Amino acid sequence: EAGVAQSPRYKIIEKRQSVAFWCNPISGHATLYWYQQILGQGPKLLIQFQNNGVVDDSQLPKDRFSAERLKGVDSTLKIQPAKLEDSAVYLCASSPTGNEAFFGQGTRLTVV
Amino acid sequence: EDKVVQSPLSLVVHEGDTVTLNCSYEVTNFRSLLWYKQEKKAPTFLFMLTSSGIEKKSGRLSSILDKKELFSILNITATQTGDSAIYLCAVEARAGGTSYGKLTFGQGTILTVHP
Repeated sequence: EAGVAQSPRYKIIEKRQSVAFWCNPISGHATLYWYQQILGQGPKLLIQFQNNGVVDDSQLPKDRFSAERLKGVDSTLKIQPAKLEDSAVYLCASSPTGNEAFFGQGTRLTVV
Repeated sequence: EDKVVQSPLSLVVHEGDTVTLNCSYEVTNFRSLLWYKQEKKAPTFLFMLTSSGIEKKSGRLSSILDKKELFSILNITATQTGDSAIYLCAVEARAGGTSYGKLTFGQGTILTVHP
């Protein structure tokens, strides 16, 4: 079974620039999560999709972050404009049932 | 707001030692508690616990849940250098107003095992 695919693996941008991350979940998984993990901390949920609908986006900084999951499969997470404090690993995960989540390798974002 | 707290935040041991990692939680509409191991980037699944008092085991790792006291422990016996990682505890609860589950993670315990 193919795992969760994310790209790019690494990204370095200057502050105030924009960036987009892509995630392809495991086939058939209805639930998709985007987490932000700052160094030394646990993953923080940014947004959770069930198919192409948003279940929870209460911790998504909506003034600069946006996410979509068109057709209930792939998802993109965008940051515009980026700030220094956005430097983190962005993890995408998917789940068939909403509990045991399978994670992608993540995208390490560095904002300089 | 759902809360998951892990302790200790970091732990340094020598090979062969036994370690116990703790996870306490305060959530509404609890469904399950999960343990993950994170070595490089992607957390990998270890255990899912839903019932109190039933130990889950996998090799040298074991875990148990206490739903009355709202905590779980993860034990690792005869530690090896390959056990060095961040151990994450996550609690799945029903997302408010929906029937879907939502995963909230603790801050993790960084375990370092020296030869």
